[in-house]
Amino acid sequence: EVQLVESGGGLVQPGRSMKLSCAASGFTFNNYDMAWVCQAPKKGLEWVATISYDGSSTYYRDSVKGRFTISRDNAKSTLYLQMDSLRSEDTATYYCARHPLIRGTWYFDFWGPGTMVTVSS
Amino acid sequence: DIQMTQSPASLSASLGETVTIECRASEDIYNGLAWYQQKPGKSPQLLIYNANSLHTGVPSRFSGSGSGTQYSLKINSLQSEDVASYFCQQYYDYPWTFGGGTKLELK
Repeated sequence: EVQLVESGGGLVQPGRSMKLSCAASGFTFNNYDMAWVCQAPKKGLEWVATISYDGSSTYYRDSVKGRFTISRDNAKSTLYLQMDSLRSEDTATYYCARHPLIRGTWYFDFWGPGTMVTVSS
Repeated sequence: DIQMTQSPASLSASLGETVTIECRASEDIYNGLAWYQQKPGKSPQLLIYNANSLHTGVPSRFSGSGSGTQYSLKINSLQSEDVASYFCQQYYDYPWTFGGGTKLELK
């Protein structure tokens, strides 16, 4: 059974950092491109970042470029999101999501339950 | 960025009814479109990809259609478990973008 379980969310002050993790199981993690998608309270979905299956390529939405870093450890089947210089507008539930196996198709075929990040003083 | 506009924003329908949700892209996305269902308090789940391909395990009462800039999700014979929010997403061009969502309730 495919499982993605996020952790590391919580309350953080503006300007500080936070690192999210996503533990994957039930599939061959190092075959898949992975992503983070966020959803502000009562709002829609926003793609945040994607990393290729081998970690060689990364992609970010403009609003997080230079502040967030997506990475992965294939030996541990774990995806990460390092979030620096956090702002109140980063407050959201962050979902770990899997891209499909077919290269170059960028929808999300499986999602974790999410972890909430609240940026507030 | 490609803008995705969903309509309606909310919808009330009866059990057994057929429901259609629309998604319009700001430019041609060449069928690079997915639909997701998100039940209250849960994460999104993939329903449709490539505009009209049903994801594994999704009931056949769900279907997708469209081309160019206009796409739709149809739910035949609405069931109580279909109460949820529905989102479209384009993946034809980076950055990948979502529609604002449609909240479906029972009448």
